[in-house]
Amino acid sequence: DAKTTQPPSMDCAEGRAANLPCNHSTISGNEYVYWYRQIHSQGPQYIIHGLKNNETNEMASLIITEDRKSSTLILPHATLRDTAVYYCIVREDSSYKLIFGSGTRLLVRP
Amino acid sequence: DTAVSQTPKYLVTQMGNDKSIKCEQNLGHDTMYWYKQDSKKFLKIMFSYNNKELIINETVPNRFSPKSPDKAHLNLHINSLELGDSAVYFCASSQDMVAARAQYFGPGTRLLVL
Repeated sequence: DAKTTQPPSMDCAEGRAANLPCNHSTISGNEYVYWYRQIHSQGPQYIIHGLKNNETNEMASLIITEDRKSSTLILPHATLRDTAVYYCIVREDSSYKLIFGSGTRLLVRP
Repeated sequence: DTAVSQTPKYLVTQMGNDKSIKCEQNLGHDTMYWYKQDSKKFLKIMFSYNNKELIINETVPNRFSPKSPDKAHLNLHINSLELGDSAVYFCASSQDMVAARAQYFGPGTRLLVL
């Protein structure tokens, strides 16, 4: 079972930042937080992951709270092409698999 | 160049038939996976191979048999197809099995069993 809780849907205006929350209150010390997205009819796309520290790459930023019980994925300037289902996943250090939940459906409005 | 590719993209077949789906990755990764996405859009892992050896088999029916001829390929053969096998099947790969390694997915194979 997925160990994360995400809102089922969100929307934001094009050009604005999209902030997608994720709760993972039972996360343990050796578990990573991963974010993927799935644009309609395509394969899941890796976005970013982190363990304790905040992370940033060319796609997004990941902010993990100090207690690690929640995180936020930030798309700094959302475009229409960012409309997708976003999955927050907690992955055990000893586990080889990603356990997907139902994700957040993000709609970017023109 | 496509990092993880799958063939065919679409597969329509009759119940009882046997079919194969192929996956290839050109990333030089050691680990490959098969995931299934059902009609409710839930993605679940089926198999994982590391250096051509089976690591995970998530209680998938014996009708599903993965085969890895080399590290760059992981094929999925399905015997005696059933209606419930209709789904989208995704192949993925990662550098190795360490949790810090991201998995990269292919475009999917849409299987419809009639």
